[in-house]
Amino acid sequence: AQSVTQLGSHVSVSEGALVLLRCNYSSSVPPYLFWYVQYPNQGLQLLLKYTSAATLVKGINGFEAEFKKSETSFHLTKPSAHMSDAAEYFCAVSSFGGFKTIFGAGTRLFVKA
Amino acid sequence: DGGITQSPKYLFRKEGQNVTLSCEQNLNHDAMYWYRQDPGQGLRLIYYSQIVNDFQKGDIAEGYSVSREKKESFPLTVTSAQKNPTAFYLCASSPGTGGFQETQYFGPGTRLLVL
Repeated sequence: AQSVTQLGSHVSVSEGALVLLRCNYSSSVPPYLFWYVQYPNQGLQLLLKYTSAATLVKGINGFEAEFKKSETSFHLTKPSAHMSDAAEYFCAVSSFGGFKTIFGAGTRLFVKA
Repeated sequence: DGGITQSPKYLFRKEGQNVTLSCEQNLNHDAMYWYRQDPGQGLRLIYYSQIVNDFQKGDIAEGYSVSREKKESFPLTVTSAQKNPTAFYLCASSPGTGGFQETQYFGPGTRLLVL
């Protein structure tokens, strides 16, 4: 069985500060990992995804994530937060041979001026 | 522009009433999905379809029904059997038949409220 845990339902940072959103996964087979972003009252859009090609994945809007197998983690980072980054972020996992994508509970990011 | 449209944006349901949420895509995607989103619970899969005229139950299918008569359309009916339908409903699609590494493309969602 697969699962995703996002640590922290809410994260608050100041504009210009580092953004770190944590995601740990559980999977008995090599995983495929995704980060999606959701702006208020909208659908989700893909930020980035890991499909085993490279452990450091760069996405849109300056975000990146690093796959660490030993820590079963896929944390999302951005060096400098912008007000427009305020949104909810979802980590998700799927795997070879499976069909479903399992989503985490989400982390809401607040950015203070 | 290609994308996924969902209508209506807000929907109100009376007790005992069936309501249908629309989802249309012009991305020429084979696979389509319906998710329910509740605060603090992430997304839960209701139904998915890999191909026209075929669909499968997800994790929380009870009280819901779907059809896939056309590639571009995947409507969701919330029946009176669904006792707690208030939620944000998201439709998504992916290019192939729903393989594990496919990116899903989401519509803007429909918020369902019970009167």
